Amino acid sequence: DAKTTQPPSMDCAEGRAANLPCNHSTISGNEYVYWYRQIHSQGPQYIIHGLKNNETNEMASLIITEDRKSSTLILPHATLRDTAVYYCIDWRRNQGGKLIFGQGTELSVKP
Amino acid sequence: EAGVTQFPSHSVIEKGQTVTLRCDPISGHDNLYWYRRVMGKEIKFLLHFVKESKQDESGMPNNRFLAERTGGTYSTLKVQPAELEDSGVYFCASSQDDYGWGGYTFGSGTRLTVV
Repeated sequence: DAKTTQPPSMDCAEGRAANLPCNHSTISGNEYVYWYRQIHSQGPQYIIHGLKNNETNEMASLIITEDRKSSTLILPHATLRDTAVYYCIDWRRNQGGKLIFGQGTELSVKP
Repeated sequence: EAGVTQFPSHSVIEKGQTVTLRCDPISGHDNLYWYRRVMGKEIKFLLHFVKESKQDESGMPNNRFLAERTGGTYSTLKVQPAELEDSGVYFCASSQDDYGWGGYTFGSGTRLTVV
């Protein structure tokens, strides 16, 4: 079962920042936070991950709270092509590589 | 580099028939995973290969499902005989790093419809 909690849906205006929250209050010290997204009719796509420091790459930024109980994925300038279901996953290095997907957040970017 | 390739992209079969799904991982990726999403449910893990060995098949639903990865390259997932509840989208993913990296590359999936 997924150990993260996300809002089921969110809207965002095109060009604005999309901030997607995730609660992972039961995360342990050796579990990473991974974000994936699934655009309609495609396979899941890796976005970014972090352990306890904030991270940024060409796709997004990840802000992890100091207590590691929650995080926020930030898409700085959302486009229509960012419309997708976003999944926050806690992942343990030694759990055999298994990704446990929850329901995710359905992000709709609107013109 | 070429991505993870799955075929067919769609398959419609009758209940009781056999279907074989194929996944070609990224060249050089030792780790290969199968996942599936059935209607209205979350994406669920099925199994994990490291090269040709099954590392974890805890997610396989029953013995009607058989996965193979001969030679440690491409993998097949056979469903025999198919049942209505097997309908869904089957995803394959691959990665190079063994356990140290959770950012997998997924294929576009095979949409299986059992009628």
